[in-house]
Order: sequence, then structure tokens, then C-alpha cells
Amino acid sequence: ETGVTQTPRHLVMGMTNKKSLKCEQHLGHNAMYWYKQSAKKPLELMFVYNFKEQTENNSVPSRFSPECPNSSHLFLHLHTLQPEDSALYLCASSQRIASGAYNEQFFGPGTRLTVL
Amino acid sequence: QQPVQSPQAVILREGEDAVINCSSSKALYSVHWYRQKHGEAPIFLMILLKGGEQKGHDKISASFNEKKQQSSLYLTASQLSYSGTYFCGTEVRDTDKLIFGTGTRLQVFP
Repeated sequence: ETGVTQTPRHLVMGMTNKKSLKCEQHLGHNAMYWYKQSAKKPLELMFVYNFKEQTENNSVPSRFSPECPNSSHLFLHLHTLQPEDSALYLCASSQRIASGAYNEQFFGPGTRLTVL
Repeated sequence: QQPVQSPQAVILREGEDAVINCSSSKALYSVHWYRQKHGEAPIFLMILLKGGEQKGHDKISASFNEKKQQSSLYLTASQLSYSGTYFCGTEVRDTDKLIFGTGTRLQVFP
């Protein structure tokens, strides 16, 4: 595997379900991100992990819970979601220096989530 | 804080040129450009870090006017492969956030 992979690619869940999205990067990067992309909205940054530490939570509802067990893996745990949470969820990774700007981000193919 | 992109959509014939603009109301540290084809992940095009900086590869280039807090992406002699949605991402000074614009949909026809 190369680049950034995401599983599953498609997910349909009910509002009472609990599910998890998985992201894995094979690029040796030290930062990983979750984005939400809705039909008529821009890419919305949800969470940022630098060196496995969460440095950004962009006012995301608590029904979304990220987990970064190591620098290569990132999870997004989902529970009691709402229909408006249906969207494409993209994972990305990059190599960041401690106090530097965002570098080139490599995106995974995304998980298309539908909440019924 | 979200940057504003214009135009929202562009339709071109092969060989024509286009300019996509990205404006911010905040002082910027950097501007990023990405292209996303339908059903695919966004792909990085370039980052501009300094005011006045210009970059390019192939026939796609960009400039960053730090004073005006804006960036422009130039597509010259467009090819069919340029079709997609172009996003600018802006990093505001003294924040740790990269915020994307709403995108510009570009369609190139033969």
C-alpha cells in the first residue's frame, strides 16, 4: 500500500449506530487530519494531530471522536450521528516542522458516509 | 475566516486561459492550491509562502499578493485534464488552521 488509505470507502449507518472510520498513511508523515466535505460546502477541517497530539478541534460535535494511536493511523469514531452528518470524510497527512506552516497534504480517497 | 473564491464556475474550450482568485479578510501566512476531480481525493498543486511569490509547473501558475491578502491561479492553454474543482486553502497568521474556500469548478471541453 502506498499513500493514504481509508476504510471503509462507503458506510451507511442509522442514527443509533456506532461505527469507526480508519485512515492509514504510508508516507512517514508526522501530522494527520480529518476533513468533512459536504455537497455544497468547502472542505472543513475537523481535527489535526501533530506528532500524535491533537492540536486542533474545529468546534466539532462530540458525536465525532478522533483517535490517533500512532503517527501512521487515525480513527474517527462515530456515534448517534444526525442525517446532516452525511458527507465525504477525508483523511490527509503531511510532514510538519514544529513551528512551521502547513506543508503539502496528501489526501486519502475518503469515506462516503450516509446517515439514515 | 473562510477565503472567497471567484468565479464559482468556469467553462473553457481546450487551449483557452483562465484565472481563479482567492481572497481573504485576514493577514495570510500562506496560500495553498488543490485540484479535486469528481469522485477523487484533492491533489496538491502548490503552496505560496511569501508575498509576491509566484510558482508554477506545467502551464499552471499562481501568485500571492500578501498586501491584498489574495492569490490567483493561472491556467494557460487549458487541457482536458485540467477539469475539476480548484480549492484555495489559506493559513491565517498566528493561527494553526488551514481553511479552504468554496471551490471553483472548471470544465474544459474539446
